[in-house]
Amino acid sequence: DSGVTQTPKHLITATGQRVTLRCSPRSGDLSVYWYQQSLDQGLQFLIQYYNGEERAKGNILERFSAQQFPDLHSELNLSSLELGDSALYFCASTLGGGPTDTQYFGPGTRLTVL
Amino acid sequence: GQQVMQIPQYQHVQEGEDFTTYCNSSTTLSNIQWYKQRPGGHPVFLIQLVKSGEVKKQKRLTFQFGEAKKNSSLHITATQTTDVGTYFCAGNNNAGNMLTFGGGTRLMVKP
Repeated sequence: DSGVTQTPKHLITATGQRVTLRCSPRSGDLSVYWYQQSLDQGLQFLIQYYNGEERAKGNILERFSAQQFPDLHSELNLSSLELGDSALYFCASTLGGGPTDTQYFGPGTRLTVL
Repeated sequence: GQQVMQIPQYQHVQEGEDFTTYCNSSTTLSNIQWYKQRPGGHPVFLIQLVKSGEVKKQKRLTFQFGEAKKNSSLHITATQTTDVGTYFCAGNNNAGNMLTFGGGTRLMVKP
């Protein structure tokens, strides 16, 4: 158990809909990263937050947005969903948010868009 | 942008055989990390390499960072069925504040 929690575990929805994925970092960690992992694919970095502020942006679509709240939990919002958005979404947390920090991954949310 | 490539994409081995995965970057890396993801699981940190030519060992796993800091490898000696999973490298080139993950090597071990 990494100490990072993600909810929900599974999500099934229809095209065009909007969903919110939630991540709580390890106690004491200030930074949260979001990744997308499609079937048999690598980890695509989406976005990073540090202490409530956006720190780095990857290949995140305009239909996707995220935020980190004062209690440091983070939410990833996916809207106008398409079939191709079906994937595993992981969040990871680190203490300082730097590239040498160990990333602790949550169990992931499996999103299925029908 | 920075690219991190891993080969092979898949590897089937017989239990007891050795296994190596290679990670190559288009730019010089300041550090590289390795993660393992078991089937149905999430990535778990294995190790970080920072110095040119660095070699680190964890039991049957040997990690190397190239002299030019543009490549890295993970070698597993005498694989076991518990080694099954996908191994990812992730590198940072100091141009950004993030790690770039390779595509991963999926290891399958036949008992």
